[in-house]
Amino acid sequence: QVHLVESGGGVVQPGRSLRLSCGASGFTFSTYAMHWVRQAPGQGLEWVAGISYEGSDKYYRDSVKGRFTSSRDNDKNTLWLQMNSLRIEDTAVYYCVREVTDPDYGDRYFDHWGQGTLVTVSS
Amino acid sequence: DIQMTQSPSSLSASVGDRVAITCRASQSISSYLNWYQQKPGNAPKLLIYDASSLQSGVPSRFRGSGSGTDFTLTISSLQPEDFATYFCQQSYKTSQYTFGQGTKLEIK
Repeated sequence: QVHLVESGGGVVQPGRSLRLSCGASGFTFSTYAMHWVRQAPGQGLEWVAGISYEGSDKYYRDSVKGRFTSSRDNDKNTLWLQMNSLRIEDTAVYYCVREVTDPDYGDRYFDHWGQGTLVTVSS
Repeated sequence: DIQMTQSPSSLSASVGDRVAITCRASQSISSYLNWYQQKPGNAPKLLIYDASSLQSGVPSRFRGSGSGTDFTLTISSLQPEDFATYFCQQSYKTSQYTFGQGTKLEIK
């Protein structure tokens, strides 16, 4: 049974840093690309960052480039999101998400989501 | 970035109704379109991938269709547990995934 458990959220002042963690279990973590998706209070879903299965390729949305860094340790089955220079608009629930590739058509999708961790940026 | 636009933003319907939610991409995305359902306080759940493939365990009353720029999620006979918010997502440009703004399905 796939399990993704985020931690590390909390209240932080603008300009400060926070590091989110995602512990994975129930599957071979090292063979899956992983992502972070966030959802501001009462708003829609926003993809934040992605990392390839071995960690060599990383992608970010423009608004977090240069401030957020995604990393992983496949031996520890753990994904991280280092968030620096936080802004009020980064306030959201952050979800850790597993990406799957359809073997027949090559489509990719997010088949498992964690429960999310809330990050509140406020002075 | 590829923009995804859903309509309507909200929808009221009754149990047993057939409803359709549309999603339009700002450029052709072939069939690289996924649908998610989210209930209050919960993480999103995958319903449909590759525009029309039903995720394992999802009831057959959910149907996805479309290709190119225009897609539709149809629920054939609404059940009480279907009242939720639905999001589309393009997976054509996987270095920059984007979601639609969501469609909130409410009980009439």
